[in-house]
Amino acid sequence: AQSVTQLDSHVSVSEGTPVLLRCNYSSSYSPSLFWYVQHPNKGLQLLLKYTSAATLVKGINGFEAEFKKSETSFHLTKPSAHMSDAAEYFCVVMDWSYGQNFVFGPGTRLSVLP
Amino acid sequence: EAQVTQNPRYLITVTGKKLTVTCSQNMNHEYMSWYRQDPGLGLRQIYYSMNVEVTDKGDVPEGYKVSRKEKRNFPLILESPSPNQTSLYFCASRDGQRNQPQHFGDGTRLSIL
Repeated sequence: AQSVTQLDSHVSVSEGTPVLLRCNYSSSYSPSLFWYVQHPNKGLQLLLKYTSAATLVKGINGFEAEFKKSETSFHLTKPSAHMSDAAEYFCVVMDWSYGQNFVFGPGTRLSVLP
Repeated sequence: EAQVTQNPRYLITVTGKKLTVTCSQNMNHEYMSWYRQDPGLGLRQIYYSMNVEVTDKGDVPEGYKVSRKEKRNFPLILESPSPNQTSLYFCASRDGQRNQPQHFGDGTRLSIL
């Protein structure tokens, strides 16, 4: 069965410093992986997706993620945090061999300090 | 504009009073689903639908019903709501093609007293 672990429930960084949000997944087949962002009182917005093409995926707002099969990881990074990046981030796995169910991680809340 | 629309956005009601949360998408997507979001648990799938008249249970279906009579609509029905169904609910849709992401509505916050 699929599962997603987000290793930090809360990450706090200073504005202008790098962001690293960690995600590990478990999947029985070649998965599709996504990162979504949720700002307060808003729905979920797609940041980026991995679909077995390039292992380094670039998304919106300067975010990127690297798929590492040997480590079953899909960590999200950004070189320089902005105040507007403060939000909840969800890592999601979809295993095509397991139907079309999207399995969400528990989320990481990112705080950006001035 | 491509979107998923949920109504109502907020609802406070009492135990046992039937309610329906509507969801509509204008992207002609085959796949639609409902999630609930609770602190520390992320989003958990309640029900999903692969197409018209095709629905199936997700991870937490107890106490919920759905129907898919038209491609664009996927209402969530709580026949006899209970306080443990107080949560933030999201509807989502996606194209049936492989590897397509889901598009989410803005959410419905339900409080069951």
